[in-house]
Amino acid sequence: EDKVVQSPLSLVVHEGDTVTLNCSYEVTNFRSLLWYKQEKKAPTFLFMLTSSGIEKKSGRLSSILDKKELFSILNITATQTGDSAIYLCAVELNTNAGKSTFGDGTTLTVKP
Amino acid sequence: DTAVSQTPKYLVTQMGNDKSIKCEQNLGHDTMYWYKQDSKKFLKIMFSYNNKELIINETVPNRFSPKSPDKAHLNLHINSLELGDSAVYFCASSQAGIQETQYFGPGTRLLVL
Repeated sequence: EDKVVQSPLSLVVHEGDTVTLNCSYEVTNFRSLLWYKQEKKAPTFLFMLTSSGIEKKSGRLSSILDKKELFSILNITATQTGDSAIYLCAVELNTNAGKSTFGDGTTLTVKP
Repeated sequence: DTAVSQTPKYLVTQMGNDKSIKCEQNLGHDTMYWYKQDSKKFLKIMFSYNNKELIINETVPNRFSPKSPDKAHLNLHINSLELGDSAVYFCASSQAGIQETQYFGPGTRLLVL
């Protein structure tokens, strides 16, 4: 059975801290790994990772994939209260069905 | 054991047809959602139901109509399918409002020919 596990499930930090969110997976026929940020409405897309070792960056957020060890990390540096959200990891499978498996999410709370 | 399930997983159909996608959750959640994932992987919320009542209805064509027979089910019916409807549709559920952790189904890939 395909599985995506995120850790920690929740995290509380103070502004300015750096956080690392983890996503490990066990799937057949991996295509890509996606990170989403969910605040008040629908999850917003952050990154899509397909190749190992290539870091993707967007401002204070960065992510990298390790296809050998089957995990990805999402780093947020100099956190701000606006980073408080649920961060979702999803793995797309390389099948015609286009199936994706989502993790349970990491709830990040950034305190002033 | 599947928490949120969708059927079918894969749907190929001709333009103009009417089709339905079913979603069921066995988590006891009050709120269910339908999302459309576009080619750029963005998830766009379409509808949200809380205890069988519609609470979010984003700007989607009238051809899309959600139906919630009970709080464990939220089905999506699409009339007069168009090429642009081709996408992956995700169902999700959460315990309370949209701020809570959502559990996603596996997705239904719809291809309109």
